[in-house]
Amino acid sequence: AQSVTQLGSHVSVSEGALVLLRCNYSSSVPPYLFWYVQYPNQGLQLLLKYTSAATLVKGINGFEAEFKKSETSFHLTKPSAHMSDAAEYFCAVTHGGTSGSRLTFGEGTQLTVNP
Amino acid sequence: DTAVSQTPKYLVTQMGNDKSIKCEQNLGHDTMYWYKQDSKKFLKIMFSYNNKELIINETVPNRFSPKSPDKAHLNLHINSLELGDSAVYFCASSQGRANTIYFGEGSWLTVV
Repeated sequence: AQSVTQLGSHVSVSEGALVLLRCNYSSSVPPYLFWYVQYPNQGLQLLLKYTSAATLVKGINGFEAEFKKSETSFHLTKPSAHMSDAAEYFCAVTHGGTSGSRLTFGEGTQLTVNP
Repeated sequence: DTAVSQTPKYLVTQMGNDKSIKCEQNLGHDTMYWYKQDSKKFLKIMFSYNNKELIINETVPNRFSPKSPDKAHLNLHINSLELGDSAVYFCASSQGRANTIYFGEGSWLTVV
């Protein structure tokens, strides 16, 4: 069984401030972890993924996330928020199944960036 | 070129109607999915096909029937639509196991 918990359904930051979106996972096998972003009325876009290589993963748009096994966490960060970062962010977990992937999503975090 | 495309993007229909959503991927992937996003934006898998074979079938009403005519296409047919079916339906695809899943732009279904 696998699950994801995103702490904070809403996060608000000022433009230029640090963005920190929290994700904790539960998985009985080594997990693969993803962050997706969803802009209003659009689909899901992959920000970054962890698949058991480097624990610090760099993604698009200046985002990065660090896999910490001891804390079962995969928090998403960005040093300086832009107005264009305002969106819904989803953390997701899966594992290496025999075929296909069953992505289990967190409940999402709505990021608001204030001018 | 759109990697995963689904049509229609917006669909408003009356209760009791039957409707279909079509999906096509041009990534050469062997696995395709349907996910549902509810009004609280929670995403949950509905179905998955690998090489045209159904491999994931979550607890979904029988009114929902996926069809995969080939590896590049996965359509979703919904019979006797109900108000609770209103949601955003995302098609997605991936290659192999635990690889990145690429999502389409979504189909906003509203049942009135």
